[in-house]
Amino acid sequence: GNSVTQMEGPVTLSEEAFLTINCTYTATGYPSLFWYVQYPGEGLQLLLKATKADDKGSNKGFEATYRKETTSFHLEKGSVQVSDSAVYFCALSDDKIIFGKGTRLHILP
Amino acid sequence: DTEVTQTPKHLVMGMTNKKSLKCEQHMGHRAMYWYKQKAKKPPELMFVYSYEKLSINESVPSRFSPECPNSSLLNLHLHALQPEDSALYLCASSQDGPNSANTGELFFGEGSRLTVL
Repeated sequence: GNSVTQMEGPVTLSEEAFLTINCTYTATGYPSLFWYVQYPGEGLQLLLKATKADDKGSNKGFEATYRKETTSFHLEKGSVQVSDSAVYFCALSDDKIIFGKGTRLHILP
Repeated sequence: DTEVTQTPKHLVMGMTNKKSLKCEQHMGHRAMYWYKQKAKKPPELMFVYSYEKLSINESVPSRFSPECPNSSLLNLHLHALQPEDSALYLCASSQDGPNSANTGELFFGEGSRLTVL
């Protein structure tokens, strides 16, 4: 069946550092891929998405590229801010959405 | 208006109580979802309503009873819950139902944090 694997957290970085959160997937079809973010005390928000191979999703300085050959959708940001501290979920959807376990990100000032 | 509104934000109930969680969206979305999220875990799908009909029930115990009175409203009726049911309950909506082109683009509310004593 379909599944999503993302790197274990927590990830702790200093402000302005480069961020990568790894995500790989297993799917029988051609899923769409997503990153969701959950700030403390809130629900999830869609951060970015990609619907086919080689698509790049981007939003708020975050980027992720749909890599079919490596079945990956790694999240990157060039310079993180304290306000980026949150839990990030990689997800795929085929007939229904499947979330990864989440990666907690702490950004230190 | 791009919000999904959930009430109440916090709920404490005993194991013999009956209570309800409510969710409302005014984006014209045709699918609505209930998720359960335990601390430090991803959301787990409970129910999906598509065009006001229950389309997915992920083998949820009958002490949880969903209701979709119309396309904008979704309720979750709670009865005889157990302490292990304490969690954050998230409502979400999407433009179309599962198996549609934009499956996965979910709009979440802030959740109702439930504590069962």
